[in-house]
Amino acid sequence: GQNIDQPTEMTATEGAIVQINCTYQTSGFNGLFWYQQHAGEAPTFLSYNVLDGLEEKGRFSSFLSRSKGYSYLLLKELQMKDSASYLCAVRDSNYQLIWGAGTKLIIKP
Amino acid sequence: IAGITQAPTSQILAAGRRMTLRCTQDMRHNAMYWYRQDLGLGLRLIHYSNTAGTTGKGEVPDGYSVSRANTDDFPLTLASAVPSQTSVYFCASSIDSTSSYEQYFGPGTRLTVT
Repeated sequence: GQNIDQPTEMTATEGAIVQINCTYQTSGFNGLFWYQQHAGEAPTFLSYNVLDGLEEKGRFSSFLSRSKGYSYLLLKELQMKDSASYLCAVRDSNYQLIWGAGTKLIIKP
Repeated sequence: IAGITQAPTSQILAAGRRMTLRCTQDMRHNAMYWYRQDLGLGLRLIHYSNTAGTTGKGEVPDGYSVSRANTDDFPLTLASAVPSQTSVYFCASSIDSTSSYEQYFGPGTRLTVT
């Protein structure tokens, strides 16, 4: 079966750095996406990785290792507005997105 | 319209009733999707359409139907609602289904079936 695993919840301090991990087992791989979802709102796109390595975009970076079936999202200089759920999704061999349940990130002052 | 709109925002529906959730995008995207999101579970794909005139079944299609008569609209119909269809429904679109372009999501419809 297809499976995406993420921690259910994480807590971090404002101004700090946090790493959210995602491991996957899917039928085929055609890219990995990270989305942010604030409570009661729609998911919004953060990053896309299809090749191994690190993609940096401002305070957010995403890393992919295809051989390990592993990705992480790194958030730097955390702000209170970063309190949200972070969703990992893998596009499989049929080009459909398989979604993890999401990691709820709580930022404390 | 800017992006994707969904209607209604929320709905309480009696079991056995028929309901159509509306989705419209103005970005001229070829691909559109319907997901449901339940607490503790990831987004699950119900149906998708890679281009106008074509549709396909996702992971959880039973009890739902869709149509794609034109590029902009992608309605989702529940023929006879059941309580297990209580969920938040998101419509999404992307330029196409195979490129690196991301999916854009509508604001969602919160549906309660009693």
